[in-house]
Amino acid sequence: EIVLTQSPGTLSLSPGERATLSCRASQGVSSSYLAWYQQRPGQAPRLLIYGASKRATGIPDRFSGSGSGTDFSLTISRLEPEDFAVYYCQQYGSSQWTFGQGTKVEIK
Amino acid sequence: EVQLVESGGGLVQPGGSLRLSCGASGFTFSTYGMSWVRQAPGKGLEWVSYISSSGTTMFYADSVKGRFTISRDHAKNSLYLQMNSLRAEDTAVYYCARGLKDVGAANFDCWGQGTLVTVSS
Repeated sequence: EIVLTQSPGTLSLSPGERATLSCRASQGVSSSYLAWYQQRPGQAPRLLIYGASKRATGIPDRFSGSGSGTDFSLTISRLEPEDFAVYYCQQYGSSQWTFGQGTKVEIK
Repeated sequence: EVQLVESGGGLVQPGGSLRLSCGASGFTFSTYGMSWVRQAPGKGLEWVSYISSSGTTMFYADSVKGRFTISRDHAKNSLYLQMNSLRAEDTAVYYCARGLKDVGAANFDCWGQGTLVTVSS
C-alpha cells in the first residue's frame, strides 16, 4: 500500500499570504491519479485538484498543484478567509485508494 | 444539480450489522464508479470500498474486507454498504463519493453529506 505523508501538519498564515502544502508518497504515484481535497469544518471534502495539476470545476485559479513521482504540492497563491480548512492529498493505485493524513491551514 | 444523500447510520453494538444507503440524483448514476469513504471523529479520510459502474467489480480496504459488502441498484439510483461484525474502530462518518470519470474513478468529484455510524455497547 502506498502511504502518503503530508507536511506540515499545521500551517499558520494570514489572509493574503501564500500557502504551500506538501504530499510525499512512499513509492512512485501516477500523476494522473493524484488529487487534492479541501474540507471545511462540518462539511464533506471538496475536490480541488486532480491529475496532480488540473483544477476541478469551479475551483479558483489561486489554487494550483504540481509534482510528479513521489513529491507533490498544493499552492494557494493568496489565502482568502474561506481557504482556512484542512487539505488532503489522495492517490489511486493497484485497486487501492489512499489519503494523506491532512494539513490544517489555520489563521495566524 | 448533482446530489448524493446518505442514510442508515446510527448506534449499533459491537458485532452488530448496519446497512448504509446513498441516493443519487442529477446525473446518470449507472455510468459512474462509486466509493464509500469514512472519517473517524477528529481523524482523516479513509477509503473503504469501490464498485464499478456496472456493479461487477468491487474492491475493499483491508480493514473491512470480509465484513463489508458494497452494492448498487440502478433502478433505484442507489448505492449501499452492508456492514457486518462491526467494531468500535468502525465508528466514523461514512461518505458516498462519485468517481471522477476523467481519471477512471481514481479520484472523487462529488460527495454526500455523510452519515454517522457509532459502534458502542
